[in-house]
Order: sequence, then structure tokens, then C-alpha cells
Amino acid sequence: AQSVAQPEDQVNVAEGNPLTVKCTYSVSGNPYLFWYVQYPNRGLQFLLKYITGDNLVKGSYGFEAEFNKSQTSFHLKKPSALVSDSALYFCAVRDKTGGYNKLIFGAGTRLAVHP
Amino acid sequence: KAGVTQTPRYLIKTRGQQVTLSCSPISGHRSVSWYQQTPGQGLQFLFEYFSETQRNKGNFPGRFSGRQFSNSRSEMNVSTLELGDSALYLCASSPGTSGGDEQFFGPGTRLTVL
Repeated sequence: AQSVAQPEDQVNVAEGNPLTVKCTYSVSGNPYLFWYVQYPNRGLQFLLKYITGDNLVKGSYGFEAEFNKSQTSFHLKKPSALVSDSALYFCAVRDKTGGYNKLIFGAGTRLAVHP
Repeated sequence: KAGVTQTPRYLIKTRGQQVTLSCSPISGHRSVSWYQQTPGQGLQFLFEYFSETQRNKGNFPGRFSGRQFSNSRSEMNVSTLELGDSALYLCASSPGTSGGDEQFFGPGTRLTVL
């Protein structure tokens, strides 16, 4: 079965420090991977995606993610965290058995950036 | 370009009633997907419509249904509401012609069932 795991419910980081939000996946074949962020009372905002090509993907708001096929991971990173980055982050993989737009989401990781 | 819009933003219903939620996708997008978000189950895929046809369906009971109109606007309907249907319902649009397309989400409709 295809799945996504976000092993940390919450990540705490001091402002200015680097941050990492972890994601591992299980899918047959080559995965299509996505990161989304959700602010309170808002929908999900797209951050970045990996489809093919360079393992390091750059996205919105200074975020990047590294695709690692051998470790089946797609961790989200940012070199210097901002308080305004505090939000709920979701990793997702496209369900290849379900057609184009069926995404399987991880449980989410709450990022708290402290001043 | 205007983003994805959902109406209404908030709804309060009682058990046994039915509800219809509406989603207007980004102009030019032909795919609309619906997701249910709850604290316990997280984000779960409901269904996807593309060019007025249901293309994918998640694992939800038949009380959950949807449709898409020729202008790509979509509605989802939940009949015989249960307490467990209380959730944030999100719709997302994309061009729909490539599995690599990112989906753009609306702000959601928060449904409370009493």
C-alpha cells in the first residue's frame, strides 16, 4: 500500500536556526512528492514538488527539499527559520493507483519557531 | 488570477440533514478534487472530477457525492449527516492533464454537525 509518514508531530526551532521537517514514503515506482503548508483557518498552500530530475528541489518562501531514493525520504528544509514559518506542514505523494489527482497525505508536522 | 473559492466558509447542520458545498476552481483548471480534514483522520481524499466526470473516488460511503459543471465549478453533497462528518472540507484545482501538477487549495468549508 502506498503511504506517507511524518514521524514528528511537532518540531521546535529557534528563529534563525536551520529547520528540517521529515517525510518518508512508500510507493511503487518513481514517486511524485509534494509539500504543503497550512496556516490556521486556511487551506493548504503549495510549497514545492519533486517529479524527476535534481534531488534538491527549491520552493516558495526559501524552503527546499531533498529527495533520497535509497532512504525513501523527502525532507523539507530551510537554512534560517522565521517566526512566520510556524504552521502545519504536510508531505504528500500522488497515489499512482488512483489516477492523476489523488494525493495521500502524511499526518502533518506542526512547526513552532521561537523568537 | 483569482484563487480557488469555496462557499460557504462555515456551516452548522443537525444530524440527518443534508448539505451542499460549492467550489470554484482557478480559471482554466479542469480538475477539482475534494478532501476531508479531521483531527483524527487527517486529510483524506474524497473524489476528483475532471471535465464533468468523476475520475477518482476515495473510500467514503455513498452519502458523499459530487458533481462538476461545464464551467468546472464543483459541488459536493453529504446526505443524512452524522456527527462524524464534522470536518474541514477542502477543494483543490489543477489543470488535470499531468500527474505532476500541483493542486491549488481553497480556504475550505468548516462543517459542524450537531
